Amino acid sequence: GENVEQHPSTLSVQEGDSAVIKCTYSDSASNYFPWYKQELGKRPQLIIDIRSNVGEKKDQRIAVTLNKTAKHFSLHITETQPEDSAVYFCAASLQGAQKLVFGQGTRLTINP
Amino acid sequence: DGGITQSPKYLFRKEGQNVTLSCEQNLNHDAMYWYRQDPGQGLRLIYYSQIVNDFQKGDIAEGYSVSREKKESFPLTVTSAQKNPTAFYLCASGQGPSTDTQYFGPGTRLTVL
Repeated sequence: GENVEQHPSTLSVQEGDSAVIKCTYSDSASNYFPWYKQELGKRPQLIIDIRSNVGEKKDQRIAVTLNKTAKHFSLHITETQPEDSAVYFCAASLQGAQKLVFGQGTRLTINP
Repeated sequence: DGGITQSPKYLFRKEGQNVTLSCEQNLNHDAMYWYRQDPGQGLRLIYYSQIVNDFQKGDIAEGYSVSREKKESFPLTVTSAQKNPTAFYLCASGQGPSTDTQYFGPGTRLTVL
C-alpha cells in the first residue's frame, strides 16, 4: 500500500522568510496530493491540493510542487507570518480509492 | 467543513466501558471516515464508508466498530477491546469517487480514566 514520508518533523523560521516542507510517496499510481494545516486542538483544514496532471499550483503565499518522476511533492510558504505557525500534514491517494494516507506532520514555528 | 459536527467535544470513559462518538454531516457527502490522532503523530484511518450500509476497515480497526445506517451519520464505537483508546478522534467526509478531497469535523478528545 501507499506510504508517505514527511520532512522535517519540526521547522522554525523567522517571520518573513520562506518555509518548505517535503513529502515522498511510494505508490506511483497515486494522483491526488492535499496539504492540511492543523492548529493546536483544532481540526485539520485543507489549504491546497494538487493532482498529478499539474506540476505546480499556487494560492497567494502558498504553493505546492509535484515531481512525479521522483515521487515527491513540496509545500512552499512565502513571507511567513505568525499565524502560519501550526502543524502541516501532507497526504496522498489514488483517485477513486477515497483513502488518504497521511504523512507524520511538520510542526512549523514562525519566530517574530 | 462547517457542515460536519462531532459530539461530544470531550469524553471521559472508565476502563471496560464502551463509548460511542457521534459524527454528522449535512454536506450530502457519500463518503465518511474516522481517524485517530495521537500526540505528535499523524492521522491513522480506523474505518471508512463510501455508501450507506457499507463500510471498510482502515489501518487500525481493532477495538472499534461503526455503522452507516444514514448518509449523514457515521457513529464510531470504541469498545473495551481497544487497549489504548485515549486519543483525539477526527471524523471526515468526502464527496465520493469523483474527488478524494476530505473535510474534517472538529474532533472528539477521548480520555480513559
